[in-house]
Amino acid sequence: GESVGLHLPTLSVQEGDNSIINCAYSNSASDYFIWYKQESGKGPQFIIDIRSNMDKRQGQRVTVLLNKTVKHLSLQIAATQPGDSAVYFCAEMGGGSYIPTFGRGTSLIVHP
Amino acid sequence: KAGVTQTPRYLIKTRGQQVTLSCSPISGHRSVSWYQQTPGQGLQFLFEYFSETQRNKGNFPGRFSGRQFSNSRSEMNVSTLELGDSALYLCASSLELAGVEQYFGPGTRLTVT
Repeated sequence: GESVGLHLPTLSVQEGDNSIINCAYSNSASDYFIWYKQESGKGPQFIIDIRSNMDKRQGQRVTVLLNKTVKHLSLQIAATQPGDSAVYFCAEMGGGSYIPTFGRGTSLIVHP
Repeated sequence: KAGVTQTPRYLIKTRGQQVTLSCSPISGHRSVSWYQQTPGQGLQFLFEYFSETQRNKGNFPGRFSGRQFSNSRSEMNVSTLELGDSALYLCASSLELAGVEQYFGPGTRLTVT
């Protein structure tokens, strides 16, 4: 079946650096791609989404890039802060299915 | 606005028992989705309710069921519990059916012994 996966399970960065979290997807028919942040002991928190007809979308300190040619999605976090330490999930929806499919997650560790 | 609330937060049950989990969505949100999160399988979609009707369903056995009330509150039931049902059960609410922007509750940690 279709799946959404992540390249790196753990990413360690220094405070102030920019972070890039990657995600590969296989369903080229998906309409939406979404990033969630999950802190320890909490439920996932919606960060940003991007439609399949877009290549880039920016939010507050975050940018999501979508490369449909290689089926790759990335989340860039500018000036990473200790509060950004969490597990980040990508998810896809659409393409005839309204059931979201989540990736396994990347743990981001920010060192002060 | 108050966020999504789930009760109870922690639960310990024995194999063969059944359990009911509760979710109150954000005020005004009409869709409630349920997810199971485990270290091995990650975050998996169970089902979605909108206007008191199950609209979408994931690949889980019939032991997992749910319902939604007229005030959009939702319950999830698991019957004949198995050890493998131990997981964090999350509910999420959104304004619309199959909404992209979902708001998750803190989850119910279920342990089956």
